[in-house]
Amino acid sequence: ETGVTQTPRHLVMGMTNKKSLKCEQHLGHNAMYWYKQSAKKPLELMFVYSLEERVENNSVPSRFSPECPNSSHLFLHLHTLQPEDSALYLCASSQIAGGPTKQYFGPGTRLTVT
Amino acid sequence: GENVEQHPSTLSVQEGDSAVIKCTYSDSASNYFPWYKQELGKRPQLIIDIRSNVGEKKDQRIAVTLNKTAKHFSLHITETQPEDSAVYFCAAQYSGTYKYIFGTGTRLKVLA
Repeated sequence: ETGVTQTPRHLVMGMTNKKSLKCEQHLGHNAMYWYKQSAKKPLELMFVYSLEERVENNSVPSRFSPECPNSSHLFLHLHTLQPEDSALYLCASSQIAGGPTKQYFGPGTRLTVT
Repeated sequence: GENVEQHPSTLSVQEGDSAVIKCTYSDSASNYFPWYKQELGKRPQLIIDIRSNVGEKKDQRIAVTLNKTAKHFSLHITETQPEDSAVYFCAAQYSGTYKYIFGTGTRLKVLA
């Protein structure tokens, strides 16, 4: 349960605020992911990083800005969000990106945009 | 486009009965199919996975079957227990991409 951690666990922010979500993995993995989980929708892949390089941006609006300073840490910087961005944001990691590989999820950050 | 359909969206079974959840994928080149279990308020956890070169895989009470011709795969849970109650997600990894496409989830309720 402690392999992938996320902070904060809950976040309430106004539409004009700037905040950041943090993810850390302790599994020695080389790939990290951001997902958005909304009610009654499938998990939506947002970004994929492989060895600190962004390899996938799934048409995510620019108000979401990812950062991967090293293979263990991943951030999601948020600014001028909309109420429809309220969701559970999940981070995941895997040994590699792009091959049949198990993903391990963090506990998520429950984001509410007011 | 890339798509994974999952059925049913909700499933109620009596304790001890079996549960089956089915997913259909659109890209015939998909080569990896994991299943995740997400309990209320918790993170998704991988419970079983299968690669495209295998037709069936079993781990105690859970099994996954893959039919590449029909492009569908199924999760089978036998002798269900109340602790099996959760939302189950299937996914397909599309070859040549870094993407996992997830199904919409099945809420399984095991009635004691």
